Amino acid sequence: ETGVTQSPTHLIKTRGQQVTLRCSSQSGHNTVSWYQQALGQGPQFIFQYYREEENGRGNFPPRFSGLQFPNYSSELNVNALELDDSALYLCASSLGGGVVAEAFFGQGTRLTVV
Amino acid sequence: QQQVKQSPQSLIVQKGGISIINCAYENTAFDYFPWYQQFPGKGPALLIAIRPDVSEKKEGRFTISFNKSAKQFSLHIMDSQPGDSATYFCAATVAGGTSYGKLTFGQGTILTVHP
Repeated sequence: ETGVTQSPTHLIKTRGQQVTLRCSSQSGHNTVSWYQQALGQGPQFIFQYYREEENGRGNFPPRFSGLQFPNYSSELNVNALELDDSALYLCASSLGGGVVAEAFFGQGTRLTVV
Repeated sequence: QQQVKQSPQSLIVQKGGISIINCAYENTAFDYFPWYQQFPGKGPALLIAIRPDVSEKKEGRFTISFNKSAKQFSLHIMDSQPGDSATYFCAATVAGGTSYGKLTFGQGTILTVHP
């Protein structure tokens, strides 16, 4: 088990609503990356936060936004939910600037939009 | 430019056999190539990774072969076991700093190892 925890594990939202997903990074890690994994697909990079600043973004619209807190935990917010937003959302923590390359993934949050 | 293409989509192997999964990338800036293993209900876990300065890396039953000129890399699982049944993802990124967290993943291969 990694030290990355995500909450909640599952949730169901209605189209048009807003959702906040949370991620606690592994101890000592200062970087959190968020991914969207649609059913049967590989994870797709949404964005990354490094020392509380957004540090790179994938091909996702602005209604996907995030935050990183001083303790390096992070939130992913999605506004105006669409049916296609239904997916497993993964966060990965890593040590930016460190010599250890590995990004550790949490177990994910399964979001269903109805 | 950013794609990583993975094949096959699914693979069935008998216990003790060799499982081979292939990936190809387009972005020549990529220089760190990890493989992840994902079990149902879990997040991906790093299995093994390679940098392009070597053509092969072996860890236990898992071997990555890398062909820089062809922009291809593959995962070989020797002596495949039923416990290896999972989804495998290749990935790629530019090594260094915070880039290790910005991975481009392949589409995944569902491996089933029959006893």
